Amino acid sequence: DAGVTQSPTHLIKTRGQQVTLRCSPKSGHDTVSWYQQALGQGPQFIFQYYEEEERQRGNFPDRFSGHQFPNYSSELNVNALLLGDSALYLCASSLGDRTGNEKLFFGSGTQLSVL
Amino acid sequence: AQTVTQSQPEMSVQEAETVTLSCTYDTSENNYYLFWYKQPPSRQMILVIRQEAYKQQNATENRFSVNFQKAAKSFSLKISDSQLGDTAMYFCAFILPTGTASKLTFGTGTRLQVTL
Repeated sequence: DAGVTQSPTHLIKTRGQQVTLRCSPKSGHDTVSWYQQALGQGPQFIFQYYEEEERQRGNFPDRFSGHQFPNYSSELNVNALLLGDSALYLCASSLGDRTGNEKLFFGSGTQLSVL
Repeated sequence: AQTVTQSQPEMSVQEAETVTLSCTYDTSENNYYLFWYKQPPSRQMILVIRQEAYKQQNATENRFSVNFQKAAKSFSLKISDSQLGDTAMYFCAFILPTGTASKLTFGTGTRLQVTL
């Protein structure tokens, strides 16, 4: 049973460019969340997708957008990249029951470097 | 807003010894969940242990246990019989069981090094 898979593992972009990161949730999971982990920091919640809709959003600008497909996979898009967007982007999947007691499974992340 | 504080950036422990990682949090809510996650060099976040705030009994998972002090808003992780494979970043995290269940608030982490 495959866990959460993310692609690509590493990515280098220049300022102003756009990037798309991809995530396939663990089999049976229907909810995908994205987190940004800057160097030396804990992950910060970007947003969550459930039933192809953005369900909740953290404190991130509109340059960060996402999508969830009918097969529950998800994409994270970042436009007009800034140097400060350099970070590890983690995807987490779960079976959404909204109780706080669901178990999150994380992928190994995409390391984005913006030059 | 909820905050999580980990005041120990780095810790070191010898193999087979016991180590305790500290975490404090701030919330005005009464019902919530607390977690410890491990992030090895592979970068994947792995759930170590989970505590429900309404349960007074401290959670235990094999060599890992917590000391949950609700009044003090403290949630420390004890690792017994430390193993080389425990070397990793450890993050304390918090979640409210309202709205989205996946919006974890993380601390800044503690880097644990297990030595021979």
